Amino acid sequence: ETGVTQTPRHLVMGMTNKKSLKCEQHLGHNAMYWYKQSAKKPLELMFVYNFKEQTENNSVPSRFSPECPNSSHLFLHLHTLQPEDSALYLCASSQVSSTGNTIYFGEGSWLTVV
Amino acid sequence: AQTVTQSQPEMSVQEAETVTLSCTYDTSESNYYLFWYKQPPSRQMILVIRQEAYKQQNATENRFSVNFQKAAKSFSLKISDSQLGDTAMYFCAFMKPPHRGGSEKLVFGKGTKLTVNP
Repeated sequence: ETGVTQTPRHLVMGMTNKKSLKCEQHLGHNAMYWYKQSAKKPLELMFVYNFKEQTENNSVPSRFSPECPNSSHLFLHLHTLQPEDSALYLCASSQVSSTGNTIYFGEGSWLTVV
Repeated sequence: AQTVTQSQPEMSVQEAETVTLSCTYDTSESNYYLFWYKQPPSRQMILVIRQEAYKQQNATENRFSVNFQKAAKSFSLKISDSQLGDTAMYFCAFMKPPHRGGSEKLVFGKGTKLTVNP
């Protein structure tokens, strides 16, 4: 059982669709993350939210739009995606401190863009 | 910028034997953290072990241990008494402590696919 829950686990969408990925953490953490995992590439950090404020946007195209309404929930809104955006999207959370705390991941949302 | 290199794309080991996965990293930081994560076919990224750079003692977690060589910037993972459930992708990751008001960010290697054979 994971403290970070992602829904849906699988999503197929057309290039003109609008959909959202949802993430919820039950660990009492104050930071949440979106990572993208593509085939044969290292995990790429997309966005970071710290205390609900976006602190990192790793040059992600605007067709990906994150939203963090509170410290426990994180969304990734998707619109007009491209086939190359097909990937596993991993949500994660951590308790940010000066001692470098561990980041915990969800099970991921498989996205296929057709 | 930090980089993490895992030079073994795939490895295999017989059940009950020991295997070592390699990882090297590049950084100019003196204080940082290193991690090994496991990603089984379910795709969830699971923390295996964590090492603080300021600690000379190598971290251990049951059958998992690391060989941390700070001067060589090497961080290998040893799995003893391998089990079928250890079959997974293993990722080495680097984190530097966040600056004030910042967030923690992991830099990952490309991973090593480990297969444990019966």
